[in-house]
Amino acid sequence: AQKVTQAQTEISVVEKEDVTLDCVYETRDTTYYLFWYKQPPSGELVFLIRRNSFDEQNEISGRYSWNFQKSTSSFNFTITASQVVDSAVYFCALSEAEDNAGNMLTFGGGTRLMVKP
Amino acid sequence: EAQVTQNPRYLITVTGKKLTVTCSQNMNHEYMSWYRQDPGLGLRQIYYSMNVEVTDKGDVPEGYKVSRKEKRNFPLILESPSPNQTSLYFCASSFTGTGRTEQFFGPGTRLTVL
Repeated sequence: AQKVTQAQTEISVVEKEDVTLDCVYETRDTTYYLFWYKQPPSGELVFLIRRNSFDEQNEISGRYSWNFQKSTSSFNFTITASQVVDSAVYFCALSEAEDNAGNMLTFGGGTRLMVKP
Repeated sequence: EAQVTQNPRYLITVTGKKLTVTCSQNMNHEYMSWYRQDPGLGLRQIYYSMNVEVTDKGDVPEGYKVSRKEKRNFPLILESPSPNQTSLYFCASSFTGTGRTEQFFGPGTRLTVL
């Protein structure tokens, strides 16, 4: 069965530091999708990125970047020059093409990021 | 505005008192699901529905029921709530067969069972 592991339960950094959140996944499928969601203190889930298993290109969006490496089954998330507003719980998730037609998300346990001023 | 709504947002109840958490989406999505979020465990799927009158169990279905009589609504029913169902609940929706796109999540319902 699929599994997502976020080994870092809590990370604390000082504003302007770079920080990387790790995500390691397990799947037997060759077709799958990886996601990152942000959960700010207000509680809602904010979609950040989706990546399919055939696209290993890294992606950058402003201060956010993602490193997808199939060889190590990892999909790490880096925030450059962190800000206090980045403080949140971040979830990595996986969906497999055959699970609910690709709709079911398997989540990691989440990483709580605290950015101090 | 495209959205998923849940009600109530907060609920404190007692063991054994039946309750329903409603979920509604206005995006004409076929797929809807319920997740619960617990510390250190992330979100786990309770039930899902591929379309009207089509529902199935997720990873943690015990103690829950759902129904899908209309496309837009997917209520979560706790017939006899117990303290271990104290959790944060999220409803989600998307188009079917499109795990390649984002799922839309509701704002969450924080349930406490005493």
